Amino acid sequence: SQQGEEDPQALSIQEGENATMNCSYKTSINNLQWYRQNSGRGLVHLILIRSNEREKHSGRLRVTLDTSKKSSSLLITASRAADTASYFCATPRGSFQKLVFGTGTRLLVSP
Amino acid sequence: NAGVTQTPKFQVLKTGQSMTLQCAQDMNHEYMSWYRQDPGMGLRLIHYSVGAGITDQGEVPNGYNVSRSTTEDFPLRLLSAAPSQTSVYFCASSYSSPWETQYFGPGTRLLVL
Repeated sequence: SQQGEEDPQALSIQEGENATMNCSYKTSINNLQWYRQNSGRGLVHLILIRSNEREKHSGRLRVTLDTSKKSSSLLITASRAADTASYFCATPRGSFQKLVFGTGTRLLVSP
Repeated sequence: NAGVTQTPKFQVLKTGQSMTLQCAQDMNHEYMSWYRQDPGMGLRLIHYSVGAGITDQGEVPNGYNVSRSTTEDFPLRLLSAAPSQTSVYFCASSYSSPWETQYFGPGTRLLVL
């Protein structure tokens, strides 16, 4: 069972456009993480945002966290073809706070 | 640093065969874990370890064994492969705890016939 659920499941945009994907979760968290997976590769960590943070930036990435709505968003500005990948949110869950991943958003950026 | 390495990259097994998926990390991380990734299911935790000699079950442990004799290595054993174990397997590690940033290996693609 997933703790985080990404939306949309798939997103197709043109280079230069912004891409926004969302993650909703069910229980209280101490942090939320976003990962990227290129086709056939392992996951790469993008950003970790803690529960007391509302917004975090890393290069062209902007992550927001709304703990009252139990949701987060990942914004990629000025998308490039190289941003084509699947993006996953992950949240700690359970007594030992193991990371639970959502099913991901598949992003396609066309030249 | 090589980071997290996994071998083999791809394996075909027949039903009932056993095999070991290897995972190693050179970052002196205490926490290591195994996930499987299936289409539409995201990543599901199989087993994890908080340090040498300590392992525990994750969400989907049936049919898999693990051991952690050293900090660096965390092999995953399939005891008697079944077609339902066809999947992509990822090993991950973090400095000390599961809620920190995880570093993933490149994955092992397993096909069970």
